[in-house]
Amino acid sequence: GENVEQHPSTLSVQEGDSAVIKCTYSDSASNYFPWYKQELGKGPQLIIDIRSNVGEKKDQRIAVTLNKTAKHFSLHITETQPEDSAVYFCASVSGYSTLTFGKGTMLLVSP
Amino acid sequence: DTGVSQNPRHKITKRGQNVTFRCDPISEHNRLYWYRQTLGQGPEFLTYFQNEAQLEKSRLLSDRFSAERPKGSFSTLEIQRTEQGDSAMYLCASSPQGRTEAFFGQGTRLTVV
Repeated sequence: GENVEQHPSTLSVQEGDSAVIKCTYSDSASNYFPWYKQELGKGPQLIIDIRSNVGEKKDQRIAVTLNKTAKHFSLHITETQPEDSAVYFCASVSGYSTLTFGKGTMLLVSP
Repeated sequence: DTGVSQNPRHKITKRGQNVTFRCDPISEHNRLYWYRQTLGQGPEFLTYFQNEAQLEKSRLLSDRFSAERPKGSFSTLEIQRTEQGDSAMYLCASSPQGRTEAFFGQGTRLTVV
């Protein structure tokens, strides 16, 4: 089955800095890669996604890049703010559209 | 705009008891998923419905777990003879027909004592 590795497990940055989270996947048939933000006690919130026919996608301060050959994708957050502090999960989809998640990255943005 | 709704939000039960959770997906979303999340981990897939048909079940879904979606709308997840290892957050998600995006509810946190 699919395996998704996510790094780093924790990331601390100063407000205004950029943050990068990286993921790798194993199943070459995976074709959809969403990113979720999860705040304490809440469900995961979809923040951005990318499909296998696209190399990069941007939405205001967040962007995602995909390298299909290397089977890795990354989340980039620019001009970080304290409200960006949360746990971020990458995921991949193959088969019946079920998600396989990474283990998460706890992002802490200090004022 | 109502999102995915899950009830109850929290459930504390004694080991050996049965529990049932409910999920109401976003209106007109024909696909519904159940995931389980333990502390410090990403959600893990349990089962998937397209309309009322249960199309896939994870090996994580032991015979003590059963899920239904009788009319293709809301779904229930029942755990029989709960064990302490069942303590987790149970998440429900839904997707519209023809789309891959999955939207999650707030989850039901189960504590088995």
